[in-house]
Amino acid sequence: QVQMIQSGPEVKKPGASVKVSCKVSGGTLSDLSMNWVRQSPGKGLEWMGGFDPENGGSFYAQKFRGRITMTEDTSTDTAYMELRSLSSDDTATYFCSTVRAPLRGDSYFDNWGQGTLVTVSS
Amino acid sequence: DIQMTQSPSTLSASIGDRVTITCRASQSIGDWLAWYQQKPGTAPKLLVYKSSVLESGVPSRFRGSGSGTEFTLTILSLQPDDFGTYYCQQYEGYPWTFGQGTKVEVK
Repeated sequence: QVQMIQSGPEVKKPGASVKVSCKVSGGTLSDLSMNWVRQSPGKGLEWMGGFDPENGGSFYAQKFRGRITMTEDTSTDTAYMELRSLSSDDTATYFCSTVRAPLRGDSYFDNWGQGTLVTVSS
Repeated sequence: DIQMTQSPSTLSASIGDRVTITCRASQSIGDWLAWYQQKPGTAPKLLVYKSSVLESGVPSRFRGSGSGTEFTLTILSLQPDDFGTYYCQQYEGYPWTFGQGTKVEVK
């Protein structure tokens, strides 16, 4: 059974960056399609981006392009999501989540980390 | 982007009730729809995918149906463990999008 453990809560000032980690156990990161979803009271659940197995790289939702970077360290089975130029609108809980089988269209989220609360406040 | 609209936003029900949640897509998504249950302070949990396929381990009282633009999640007989918030998600096209949620409360 794959489990994902995320890093702890963060408090950041507007304009800063945050980097959230997601460590995989019970499986190998390179066998998974890791994605990131955030949840805020005002906007509900939002898919931010993830690993695109068709091209072997990361694919981001349009609204985050330019200020988000997702990386993977396969030596430690840890995925990272960095979000830059934070504003109060980025206050949310950030989840890592795996997509079951994107190459055959099964692009739903079957496994989730516990979530990381990021608070952006001056 | 494909907009997903759930109704109702909140639902009050009693143990044993039959509960139905509706999810509408702004354009046809075939049967590329999933349902999740979330309890406070925890991550969403996958219940149903491909509109009607029950995830392994999910009780058979959960039923998903629909195709195109209209979908429903039915709980045949509500149990104490079923209270929480339910979300639909389309994965027909990028960006994958979620409904705003339906909170199922104790009546």
